[in-house]
Amino acid sequence: AQSVTQPDIHITVSEGASLELRCNYSYGATPYLFWYVQSPGQGLQLLLKYFSGDTLVQGIKGFEAEFKRSQSSFNLRKPSVHWSDAAEYFCAVETKEYGNKLVFGAGTILRVKS
Amino acid sequence: DTAVSQTPKYLVTQMGNDKSIKCEQNLGHDTMYWYKQDSKKFLKIMFSYNNKELIINETVPNRFSPKSPDKAHLNLHINSLELGDSAVYFCASSQAGAGPYEQYFGPGTRLTVT
Repeated sequence: AQSVTQPDIHITVSEGASLELRCNYSYGATPYLFWYVQSPGQGLQLLLKYFSGDTLVQGIKGFEAEFKRSQSSFNLRKPSVHWSDAAEYFCAVETKEYGNKLVFGAGTILRVKS
Repeated sequence: DTAVSQTPKYLVTQMGNDKSIKCEQNLGHDTMYWYKQDSKKFLKIMFSYNNKELIINETVPNRFSPKSPDKAHLNLHINSLELGDSAVYFCASSQAGAGPYEQYFGPGTRLTVT
C-alpha cells in the first residue's frame, strides 16, 4: 500500500531563513504528489503539485518542491520564510490504482520565530 | 464565491445522537470526497463519489452514510455518534476522469461528541 512519511513533526525557523520540509513516499510507480498547507482552524490549501515533466515545481507563496525519483522524495522549500508561513504542511500522494484518493503524511508544523 | 462549502462549521452533540454535515461545490466537478482529520491532525479519506456513484469506501463504520442527491452535493450522515467520532471532517471535490486532478477542500466541520 502506498504511504507518505514526513519525518519532522515540528520545525522552527527564524523569519528570513530558508526552509526545507521533507517528504518521502512509498509506491512502485510514479505517483502524483502534492503539498497542502493548513493554517490554524482553516481548511487545506494547495501549494503545489507534481504530475510529470520538470521535477522542480513552483507553487504559490514562493514555495517550490523537487521530485527525486531515486530518493522517493518530494521536499518542499522556500528561500526566505515569512511569519505568515507558520502553519501545518501536509505532503500527499495520489495514484490512479487506488481510486484517485489522496494519501496524506502526518504533517509538519512550522513555527517561525522573529 | 466559495468553491467548496460545508455546514455547519462547528457541531457539538452528545453520544448516541444522529447528525448530518452538508457539503456543496460550485466548481462543476463530478467527484466529491469526505476526509476525516483526527485529533493528531492525521487526514484519511472516508468516501468518494463520482457523479453520485460511490467509488471509494474505506474501512468506515456503517454508522457513517454518505448521500449524494446530485453531483454538486455530498452530505455525510452519522448515526449513533460515539466519542471517537470527534474530529474535523473535510469535504473535497475534483474533476473526474483519467486525471490526475487537484482536489479542492472545504473549510472543515469540527465535530465534538460529548
